[in-house]
Amino acid sequence: QSVLTQPPSVSGAPGQRVTISCAGSTSNIGAGHDVHWYLQLPGTAPKPLIYNSISRPSGVPDRFSGSKSGTSASLAITGLQAEDEADYYCQSYDSSLTAYVFGTGTKVTVL
Amino acid sequence: QVQLQESGPGLVKPSETLSLTCAVSGASMSTLNWWSWVRQSPGMGLEWIAHIYHTGSTNYNPSLRSRVTISLDESKNQISLNLNSVTAADTAMYYCARQRSSSASLDYWGHGTLVTVSS
Repeated sequence: QSVLTQPPSVSGAPGQRVTISCAGSTSNIGAGHDVHWYLQLPGTAPKPLIYNSISRPSGVPDRFSGSKSGTSASLAITGLQAEDEADYYCQSYDSSLTAYVFGTGTKVTVL
Repeated sequence: QVQLQESGPGLVKPSETLSLTCAVSGASMSTLNWWSWVRQSPGMGLEWIAHIYHTGSTNYNPSLRSRVTISLDESKNQISLNLNSVTAADTAMYYCARQRSSSASLDYWGHGTLVTVSS
């Protein structure tokens, strides 16, 4: 049972902008813990996309951006491409659970 | 380039102990990083299991703490995971990953190893 809630799916046409929310609480995102985002293609391991809520690892296109406010975080994908079709997960730390936690995951579909 | 490679038995019987190893290459384990295990049940989301620092310091997910042991062998550049008293609920893809101590992000992942618990 995840403490970070994401929409099960989002979709958009090529070139459009989509956002994925990650709703937490005062014991994780709201406590100031960083949020990280991962992309997972079918049959592969998760790949880092955003770290420290807003930073991109080397090699990640600037079409991907992260933000955080209050007890929530968001991942935005602009200029949606067919290759962006994947599952996306947020991750943070929960002080009450004393554990690193992941979001429920969001499947992005490119129409 | 940091690479991680998990290995272990693909099939474990209920009530037995699951033992996995992760070989690390391209990076020293004596750096400012934690070494983690994460699992993903079929069709489900991700679950952090535990991590270990090169000093031997460990942290465990409280939901699994009573059954899990993580260890590190710097001389072999590998980390290990033992999960005892397994049930079908422990059937999952198990990943090892490097976790940055500065941010807690998981920046390098292995390909994962699938473990099925079945008699």
